[in-house]
Amino acid sequence: GNSVTQMEGPVTLSEEAFLTINCTYTATGYPSLFWYVQYPGEGLQLLLKATKADDKGSNKGFEATYRKETTSFHLEKGSVQVSDSAVYFCALSDRESGAGSYQLTFGKGTKLSVIP
Amino acid sequence: EAQVTQNPRYLITVTGKKLTVTCSQNMNHEYMSWYRQDPGLGLRQIYYSMNVEVTDKGDVPEGYKVSRKEKRNFPLILESPSPNQTSLYFCASSLRLTHEQYFGPGTRLTVT
Repeated sequence: GNSVTQMEGPVTLSEEAFLTINCTYTATGYPSLFWYVQYPGEGLQLLLKATKADDKGSNKGFEATYRKETTSFHLEKGSVQVSDSAVYFCALSDRESGAGSYQLTFGKGTKLSVIP
Repeated sequence: EAQVTQNPRYLITVTGKKLTVTCSQNMNHEYMSWYRQDPGLGLRQIYYSMNVEVTDKGDVPEGYKVSRKEKRNFPLILESPSPNQTSLYFCASSLRLTHEQYFGPGTRLTVT
């Protein structure tokens, strides 16, 4: 089946540091890829997405490029702020092998803490 | 305002006492699902629904039931809750599964 693996946390960075959160996936088809963010005490919200190979999703200074050759969708930001402290989830949506329905799969989440 | 609402937000109950967590969306979305979030395990899907009267099991359906009688509502039912169902629960909806998921604010359930 499909799976998403993202780097273990927690990650602690100083303000203005560069951020990378690695995400790799396995899928049988041509998945859509997502990054969701969960701020403390809230539900998840979409941060960015990419629907085909070489697409770059971007939002709020965050970027991720859909790399089919390395099956990766790493999240990056050039200069993090304290307000970026949250849990980040990588996810994919793909048609389940041999089935008609789609499957949505999340990684386990990476907690980011940014200190002033 | 487009949103997914869940009720209650917090619930403490005892083993075996049936409960229902409601979920409602106002975006006319076809797809709805329930997840539970546990430390170290991330987000796991319990059940999902592709449309009215169409539901299917996710990764961890044991001990849960759902129904989809109307497009906007997707309640989660725990017929006989047990302590291992203590968790943070999220409802989500989307136009299609390949589209952005909109999440509710979460329901923190404690079963003693």
